[in-house]
Amino acid sequence: DTEVTQTPKHLVMGMTNKKSLKCEQHMGHRAMYWYKQKAKKPPELMFVYSYEKLSINESVPSRFSPECPNSSLLNLHLHALQPEDSALYLCASSRGRGGYGYTFGSGTRLTVV
Amino acid sequence: GESVGLHLPTLSVQEGDNSIINCAYSNSASDYFIWYKQESGKGPQFIIDIRSNMDKRQGQRVTVLLNKTVKHLSLQIAATQPGDSAVYFCAETFTGGGNKLTFGTGTQLKVEL
Repeated sequence: DTEVTQTPKHLVMGMTNKKSLKCEQHMGHRAMYWYKQKAKKPPELMFVYSYEKLSINESVPSRFSPECPNSSLLNLHLHALQPEDSALYLCASSRGRGGYGYTFGSGTRLTVV
Repeated sequence: GESVGLHLPTLSVQEGDNSIINCAYSNSASDYFIWYKQESGKGPQFIIDIRSNMDKRQGQRVTVLLNKTVKHLSLQIAATQPGDSAVYFCAETFTGGGNKLTFGTGTQLKVEL
């Protein structure tokens, strides 16, 4: 298995909703990431988990809450989002050191209404 | 055809021609570089990578060149095909950087029949 799987593929949520994005990989990678991508822009790093511990938070607002239940799973909990948070949310994974094998999922297209 | 990826330029090439996509990276400490292809509605797809101890690396129809002196990276695609139409991003990271991947601004490649 050489894939990163993200669910759901599309999500529409109101500003008062709570939802979660899910990401799974079975490549034995020990680093997992959340990126945010706006239209016609490059992906921007949000969070890094290394060996199941949060190692980087790029000053992301607290309405985004990451969770890494185990080495294969990564979640992003969403609460009280704003319309400007609408974007493609990408999960990625890589080997623990050096970033080798950096693989992205297909993303979740999030629309906040 | 050739492009410089400072904004999101468009590179238009004829089918069968060679394409050259350029990228200027920012961090002189970066020691690992990746080229990604991103099609509309999908996540970035790994194309080829190169470490800083190399100047050139070849894959199937693709070649990456690294010039550390001027902090420049290029992706050459031989015999460009319609299926190569996508946005191409370079990305950089460095040892000790927490596996943070920083993306260039991207280049839209359009292949004309």
